[in-house]
Amino acid sequence: RKEVEQDPGPFNVPEGATVAFNCTYSNSASQSFFWYRQDCRKEPKLLMSVYSSGNEDGRFTAQLNRASQYISLLIRDSKLSDSATYLCVVPPRGSARQLTFGSGTQLTVLP
Amino acid sequence: EPEVTQTPSHQVTQMGQEVILRCVPISNHLYFYWYRQILGQKVEFLVSFYNNEISEKSEIFDDQFSVERPDGSNFTLKIRSTKLEDSAMYFCASRGTGTGYDNSPLHFGNGTRLTVT
Repeated sequence: RKEVEQDPGPFNVPEGATVAFNCTYSNSASQSFFWYRQDCRKEPKLLMSVYSSGNEDGRFTAQLNRASQYISLLIRDSKLSDSATYLCVVPPRGSARQLTFGSGTQLTVLP
Repeated sequence: EPEVTQTPSHQVTQMGQEVILRCVPISNHLYFYWYRQILGQKVEFLVSFYNNEISEKSEIFDDQFSVERPDGSNFTLKIRSTKLEDSAMYFCASRGTGTGYDNSPLHFGNGTRLTVT
């Protein structure tokens, strides 16, 4: 299994739709997980941190399944401005080591 | 909100030239990173830096690359003899205000677009 693997997409959904992305990881020792969004030619920006079973922030919900080693991101009532690439990031235990990025899932919300 | 700043935003250089990409991490962060992203590809780890030394580097980070934290605020990436394939977006990131085990996320700068001609 790759260190971090994401749904490749692209996902093209209409405005108002609910969409979910999955991310699987191989390092069972990882304790924290992050979802970032990246707009074209911009830096990744932190969307959500996931430290326990899940986290909710408005229309966004992240869930963690440690037994199956995956995290998911659910976007409800999607908006045009949600169009971006969503990156899953899994740090290993230990602060200074590299944080591994998934290849990203591209989302396009259509009017 | 404190942020990571990178300069320049765009650097054009000729093959074989040396470039230095500069970053000012968030002031109380302890861990510093360089990532790169070739157009259309994933974000790739280059190097992590902690306590004034490299803590981990990828296979991309070969002898042509080096990092420094010369004055306690700047964090630089030097590419000694640039190749065409070094053309990419280079992102600096920082994290972590504590010691030991740390769950904090990365905070990225806006990136430097390097174009090697």
